Amino acid sequence: NAGVMQNPRHLVRRRGQEARLRCSPMKGHSHVYWYRQLPEEGLKFMVYLQKENIIDESGMPKERFSAEFPKEGPSILRIQQVVRGDSAAYFCASSPLQPGQGHEKLFFGSGTQLSVL
Amino acid sequence: LAKTTQPISMDSYEGQEVNITCSHNNIATNDYITWYQQFPSQGPRFIIQGYKTKVTNEVASLFIPADRKSSTLSLPRVSLSDTAVYYCLVGELGGGNKLTFGTGTQLKVEL
Repeated sequence: NAGVMQNPRHLVRRRGQEARLRCSPMKGHSHVYWYRQLPEEGLKFMVYLQKENIIDESGMPKERFSAEFPKEGPSILRIQQVVRGDSAAYFCASSPLQPGQGHEKLFFGSGTQLSVL
Repeated sequence: LAKTTQPISMDSYEGQEVNITCSHNNIATNDYITWYQQFPSQGPRFIIQGYKTKVTNEVASLFIPADRKSSTLSLPRVSLSDTAVYYCLVGELGGGNKLTFGTGTQLKVEL
């Protein structure tokens, strides 16, 4: 059973370009979370999605950032008009459980390191 | 959300037992305590989770006193490969969207 797959592993963009980060959850998992990690800091929650639904986007910046988890295909985190401050590691995690179903643990991917020049 | 406090760093030698304590004075009744491990350039990996008393798995033990205001992750006989950042998290079940990772504890294991 493959783990959470993220690609690309490294992404370099110039200021003003768009960045698309992909995440394929573990097989059987329908809950996806995106986190951002700045250097020397902990992970910060961004958004929680289920198939075709955004459940909680309270951690997402109001502008330029969007996320989706379509019925078919990976979850996408999209950053428009990137700025240098967007440079960070972006991690995706998946879970098989809905809230309240049991002891939840998150399975994380290896992340995408975004560098904005 | 319950805030957690952990030491910024710890040093140890191979073969020793390492105990990392986390304070969470404002833990709520529905909150569980979960520990993750993170190596450089990788995502966090689940280590152990508990609600009260003691939990043990093949990797670590988690000790939680009766008042649940703190918890201690115990790593028996550490090796160089245990050098990593360890995060203590407190949150409700199913609350992945509410989990807050602090700066964690950087454990460095030497020969």
